[in-house]
Amino acid sequence: AQSVTQLDSHVSVSEGTPVLLRCNYSSSYSPSLFWYVQHPNKGLQLLLKYTSAATLVKGINGFEAEFKKSETSFHLTKPSAHMSDAAEYFCVVTSTGTASKLTFGTGTRLQVTL
Amino acid sequence: DGGITQSPKYLFRKEGQNVTLSCEQNLNHDAMYWYRQDPGQGLRLIYYSQIVNDFQKGDIAEGYSVSREKKESFPLTVTSAQKNPTAFYLCASRADSGRTEAFFGQGTRLTVV
Repeated sequence: AQSVTQLDSHVSVSEGTPVLLRCNYSSSYSPSLFWYVQHPNKGLQLLLKYTSAATLVKGINGFEAEFKKSETSFHLTKPSAHMSDAAEYFCVVTSTGTASKLTFGTGTRLQVTL
Repeated sequence: DGGITQSPKYLFRKEGQNVTLSCEQNLNHDAMYWYRQDPGQGLRLIYYSQIVNDFQKGDIAEGYSVSREKKESFPLTVTSAQKNPTAFYLCASRADSGRTEAFFGQGTRLTVV
């Protein structure tokens, strides 16, 4: 079995300040983890992925995430928020033992203010 | 350009009608998925297919049907048995059913009128 918990449904930051979106996962097998971003009425775009290589993963648009097995976490960070980062973010887990299923978190809405 | 194309972008349906949402990919991916997205509920899996001519029910398959006659196509039919079909529908594909990422289409917003 696998599951994902996004700890915040809504996060608000000021432009230029750091972003932290939290994700905890549960998986019976070695997981692969992903962060996706969704702008209104659009599909999901992959930000970054962890697939058992380096635990610190760098993605697009300055985002990065660190896989911490001991804490079962995969938090998404960015040093300095930009107005264009305002969107919905989804943490996703999959593994080889899940018959190809992806499990999504419920999403975190990021608001960026001036 | 390689990618996933969903059509139409907006779709209106009268109660009691069946409608079919199109999903086509030219990424040569084996696995394809349909998700439903409602506000505050994330994405819920409707159906998925790992190979041609085979598909499995997801978590909310009731009132929906699919086919996978070609590798590149995975249409979703929303039947009149689906009690609350108004939602945003997303199609996705993956190279395989292992640990690869999914690629998403731009979605179809279905509204029952």
